[in-house]
Amino acid sequence: GNSVTQMEGPVTLSEEAFLTINCTYTATGYPSLFWYVQYPGEGLQLLLKATKADDKGSNKGFEATYRKETTSFHLEKGSVQVSDSAVYFCALSNFGNEKLTFGTGTRLTIIP
Amino acid sequence: KAGVTQTPRYLIKTRGQQVTLSCSPISGHRSVSWYQQTPGQGLQFLFEYFSETQRNKGNFPGRFSGRQFSNSRSEMNVSTLELGDSALYLCASSLDLGEDGYTFGSGTRLTVV
Repeated sequence: GNSVTQMEGPVTLSEEAFLTINCTYTATGYPSLFWYVQYPGEGLQLLLKATKADDKGSNKGFEATYRKETTSFHLEKGSVQVSDSAVYFCALSNFGNEKLTFGTGTRLTIIP
Repeated sequence: KAGVTQTPRYLIKTRGQQVTLSCSPISGHRSVSWYQQTPGQGLQFLFEYFSETQRNKGNFPGRFSGRQFSNSRSEMNVSTLELGDSALYLCASSLDLGEDGYTFGSGTRLTVV
């Protein structure tokens, strides 16, 4: 079946530091890959997505590249801000099995 | 445009009771999915509806059920509540197959006492 393995947290960084959150997946076929963000007391917001190999998703300074050869979709940001503090979830969905399989989430805290 | 609306935001119920949660998807979205989020188990898929038909189901007991109406609004029901059902229940909608992503509501926080 499908599975997503995410970097264990929590992660604490200083403002303007470089961020990487690792995500690898196991899936049949060619899944779509997503990063979602959850702020305290809220639901999930779609941060970025990629639907085929070598696609790069980007939004709000965050980027992730769909790497089929390494089955990875690592999230990166060049300079984090305090407002980026949240929990980040990597997820995938497969055509014909329309549900999201999530990683465990990574709590990110940015210190001023 | 309006996002995914879940009601109520908070609920407190007693063990053994039943509860119904509601979700209104984004206009034009025909797929509605439900997820349970707990600190211990993370985000787990409950079920997905498309055009009033359950298209996919997760590994939850029969106490958890749902339905979708002709206007795509969805409800989920949990009967004979247990303490372990305390969770944030999230609803998500998408156009069809979800490959472009799902839009989530803010969730319903259910506490069973």
